[in-house]
Amino acid sequence: GNSVTQMEGPVTLSEEAFLTINCTYTATGYPSLFWYVQYPGEGLQLLLKATKADDKGSNKGFEATYRKETTSFHLEKGSVQVSDSAVYFCALSESNYQLIWGAGTKLIIKP
Amino acid sequence: SQTIHQWPATLVQPVGSPLSLECTVEGTSNPNLYWYRQAAGRGLQLLFYSVGIGQISSEVPQNLSASRPQDRQFILSSKKLLLSDSGFYLCAWSAGLASGAGELFFGEGSRLTVL
Repeated sequence: GNSVTQMEGPVTLSEEAFLTINCTYTATGYPSLFWYVQYPGEGLQLLLKATKADDKGSNKGFEATYRKETTSFHLEKGSVQVSDSAVYFCALSESNYQLIWGAGTKLIIKP
Repeated sequence: SQTIHQWPATLVQPVGSPLSLECTVEGTSNPNLYWYRQAAGRGLQLLFYSVGIGQISSEVPQNLSASRPQDRQFILSSKKLLLSDSGFYLCAWSAGLASGAGELFFGEGSRLTVL
């Protein structure tokens, strides 16, 4: 079945460092791909999405490109801030009813 | 605009007591509704989803149940809580079958501690 694998955390970086959180997937067909962010004690928020191959989703300085050839959707940001500390989830849409979730990656940014 | 609310935000319950978490969505009609659980330091586990009033699909057999008495209301219940029911419960909605690519919108979460 479909699955999502993302790098284990926590990922600890200094402020202004470059961020990459890896996400790879297995899927039949052509799913949409998502990154969600969960700040401490809160629910999840959609960060960005891509609906077809080679699409780039972007928001708040974060980017991810839908790479069908490598089945990847890595999250990147050029210069992270302390306020980016959160848990990041990669997910794919299996149908209009459900998302398949990665395990989440905790990001810690130190000033 | 659409909003989603769930309550209570925090609760502490003794083992064997009942549970009721409520979630409501505003600003949309016929949404798909979901209950997820997030154990400490872990990912998301889908518990139930509903595509319409009275229609509930269970993903994980357990002592929890869900009901959808109205189009935009989703309730998570238990008759007798277990210690293992502790966690962070998230309600979410998505647009119906005819639209969207599965994007979910989440509530603020309810933290349940069973003692």
